[in-house]
Amino acid sequence: KNEVEQSPQNLTAQEGEFITINCSYSVGISALHWLQQHPGGGIVSLFMLSSGKKKHGRLIATINIQEKHSSLHITASHPRDSAVYICAAAPYSGGGADGLTFGKGTHLIIQP
Amino acid sequence: DSGVTQTPKHLITATGQRVTLRCSPRSGDLSVYWYQQSLDQGLQFLIQYYNGEERAKGNILERFSAQQFPDLHSELNLSSLELGDSALYFCASSGTSLGVTEAFFGQGTRLTVV
Repeated sequence: KNEVEQSPQNLTAQEGEFITINCSYSVGISALHWLQQHPGGGIVSLFMLSSGKKKHGRLIATINIQEKHSSLHITASHPRDSAVYICAAAPYSGGGADGLTFGKGTHLIIQP
Repeated sequence: DSGVTQTPKHLITATGQRVTLRCSPRSGDLSVYWYQQSLDQGLQFLIQYYNGEERAKGNILERFSAQQFPDLHSELNLSSLELGDSALYFCASSGTSLGVTEAFFGQGTRLTVV
């Protein structure tokens, strides 16, 4: 079982819809990252969260440490939001940092 | 632009060959991470270097090795290549290894082994 689970795996929505992508993790973490990967392959870091909520433009990320769950929301979705969204857990190593553990990604398509 | 530079962007090579992937981290970042993204395994952590020293190892094969040079650029060496090594290889950098900071990813090197 993957230590980081994302849902849904695939999501197709109409332009303007409110989008939610969920991420659950089973390991202790020091932070949770949300990443975006476009068809060209490059990865962009959207958020890094250790508690609460962060907002950047139409993107909102929340995390509940007790429930080991994070969500990424997109408001007023647009076709340019179409991408793979990946959540990644940064382990609680207490010292030197380890690499990230990734979810399988959510493939989002926003139709005009 | 993340500030992390990876070269080459694309690489096609034959089985059994050896290749070197290069990563230049963001200016001032001491930590470099290498990740592999394959169709069946998704993204996996390979190895981390911090200021020239290996700091953490993930699912890196013995045929693969890496190093970080005094100017902080890093190279990932893949040898005795197999078809299954075809993947996207990403490098990321961050500012410190003593706690988690935001990671900045390069554009990746797409390796195709034929």
